Amino acid sequence: AQSVTQLDSQVPVFEEAPVELRCNYSSSVSVYLFWYVQYPNQGLQLLLKYLSGSTLVKGINGFEAEFNKSQTSFHLRKPSVHISDTAEYFCAVSPPVMGDKIIFGKGTRLHILP
Amino acid sequence: EAGVVQSPRYKIIEKKQPVAFWCNPISGHNTLYWYLQNLGQGPELLIRYENEEAVDDSQLPKDRFSAERLKGVDSTLKIQPAELGDSAVYLCASSEGNGEAFFGQGTRLTVV
Repeated sequence: AQSVTQLDSQVPVFEEAPVELRCNYSSSVSVYLFWYVQYPNQGLQLLLKYLSGSTLVKGINGFEAEFNKSQTSFHLRKPSVHISDTAEYFCAVSPPVMGDKIIFGKGTRLHILP
Repeated sequence: EAGVVQSPRYKIIEKKQPVAFWCNPISGHNTLYWYLQNLGQGPELLIRYENEEAVDDSQLPKDRFSAERLKGVDSTLKIQPAELGDSAVYLCASSEGNGEAFFGQGTRLTVV
């Protein structure tokens, strides 16, 4: 079975400052990893995904994440945040079987301070 | 291309009443998911379909919840009778099996 731990429930950061949202996973098999963003009263939107290959993954809106197998981590980063990045961010994991269930972390709320 | 469409967006019902949610996935997506999202929590899988077959319904409370996906396209999720604790957002997602799921905007259910 897989599980996901998002270490911070809330992260405040000043506008134009860098940010890192932490995610660790647990699995006895290799996994696919995802970051989703949820804006207020909206569904989830995929930011980026790691399926295989390069461990540094670039996504939409200037976000990137790095898969670290030895530390079982998949932290999300952005070098300079904007007020529009205010949202809930979810890390997720899936077994390496296409179409299998996706297991989500509890989410990290990103607060952008002016 | 239209995304995943869910209706209604909001629903308020009295406890013990039935309620149904509808989902129209992206055309061609064989996998359909129903997730439950409580306030301040991540989505939790209720049921997953491959075409018309429910391949994972282990987390669906079958005493009051039911779902169907006739013809392997649209899906409905029903609760009967609803309880106060069912108040949450119900999310539908679909995937063509390439590791990416597309989510609808969700149905926010309030049971009073």
